[in-house]
Amino acid sequence: DADVTQTPRNRITKTGKRIMLECSQTKGHDRMYWYRQDPGLGLRLIYYSFDVKDINKGEISDGYSVSRQAQAKFSLSLESAIPNQTALYFCATSDLIGYTFGSGTRLTVV
Amino acid sequence: GENVEQHPSTLSVQEGDSAVIKCTYSDSASNYFPWYKQELGKGPQLIIDIRSNVGEKKDQRIAVTLNKTAKHFSLHITETQPEDSAVYFCAARKANTGNQFYFGTGTSLTVIP
Repeated sequence: DADVTQTPRNRITKTGKRIMLECSQTKGHDRMYWYRQDPGLGLRLIYYSFDVKDINKGEISDGYSVSRQAQAKFSLSLESAIPNQTALYFCATSDLIGYTFGSGTRLTVV
Repeated sequence: GENVEQHPSTLSVQEGDSAVIKCTYSDSASNYFPWYKQELGKGPQLIIDIRSNVGEKKDQRIAVTLNKTAKHFSLHITETQPEDSAVYFCAARKANTGNQFYFGTGTSLTVIP
């Protein structure tokens, strides 16, 4: 099994719909992150959490919310999806050494 | 915050040639610089890293150099092979920021057989 598992892998949703992307990890790390990847813009941080009771906004948090249900689970929600949220989303965990990324969720908002 | 710039955005090389990707960072407090490789359909994976107390690190065909004075670091891939084709990201981490990384915008490397 993968260290960081994201579901779903692909999703098409309509404008205005609420959608949740889920992430679970088996690394035992406290720190978890949600990134968005767009062509030419690299990886941009949406939210991060350093433990179950800690949630922090990243550089592009508007339009997104997160929930840290347990050490191993960190979900990202789009309350009302819009087309410019079409992107590849990555969940990651880290220790003091570096990040482990999931395989990504490709989200299309039509 | 930290600003990481990465160049070039795309790079094509012939198999067997070398490839160099360069990054600059803005905050002199950054002290850890990893490089990630993202293959198609996969998440980024760490391939090599360097800390600010080291000027160069090598792992087989991959090497990374760091110039703290100029605030830039580079990835060097020698004897490139088709399986090196991927998107490469550099990143910088500032000390005492809780392990938050700042990523470059990525370089799409194509190795032509």
